[in-house]
Amino acid sequence: DIQMTQSPSSLSASVGDRVTITCRASQYISAYLSWYQQKPGKAPKLLIYAASSLQNGVPSRFSGSGSGTDFTLTISSLQPEDFATYYCQQSYRSPYTFGQGTKLEIK
Amino acid sequence: QVQLVQSGAEVKRPGASVKVSCMISGSTLTELSIHWVRQGPGNGLEWMGAFDPEDGERIYAQKFQGRVSMTEATSTDTAYMELSSLRSEDTAVYYCATPGRTGSFDIWGQGTTVTVSS
Repeated sequence: DIQMTQSPSSLSASVGDRVTITCRASQYISAYLSWYQQKPGKAPKLLIYAASSLQNGVPSRFSGSGSGTDFTLTISSLQPEDFATYYCQQSYRSPYTFGQGTKLEIK
Repeated sequence: QVQLVQSGAEVKRPGASVKVSCMISGSTLTELSIHWVRQGPGNGLEWMGAFDPEDGERIYAQKFQGRVSMTEATSTDTAYMELSSLRSEDTAVYYCATPGRTGSFDIWGQGTTVTVSS
């Protein structure tokens, strides 16, 4: 199985900060990488697909980059509604594994 | 607009089975690949498996092989996930999800809470 490792596991930041979350795959996955946001009690929401493409309706302060094994999610200027948990997922090969999550908290 | 509506919460005894449904509206089961993802209390997301209508293939994560069955009823556009030999570690929220044209899970069901307790 392809292992997905996110860092950090948790992060404290303030409104207006620029934040970067990293996801590393244990083997090559091309650009088959998605980023999701999840708030308590809700289903995950797709933010980024194909490593760097912004899902319709997602604010442009979210961006993704990377290919191969190393990927990043960047939030350029944190808003109050961005405090949530973020997951990466690979869809290169079954099983389509997720990272362990990064919890973004208010400082 | 495609929507996935799941069945309600379940409480099961250890050793029992549970069957969760996922009804599709705005599309048909023959056009969608339905995946199942679960999330234990305070835990991350875990992909369980999927059915691909294009080739009729079912793919299950190794962890669940022999205990999970994913089926479909095209007459009602409903997908099902049945998990057997339940244990306390199977207590989780179970989601169905489908990849849109992006290839990523852009549509999710609301989740079904399954509690396994004696």
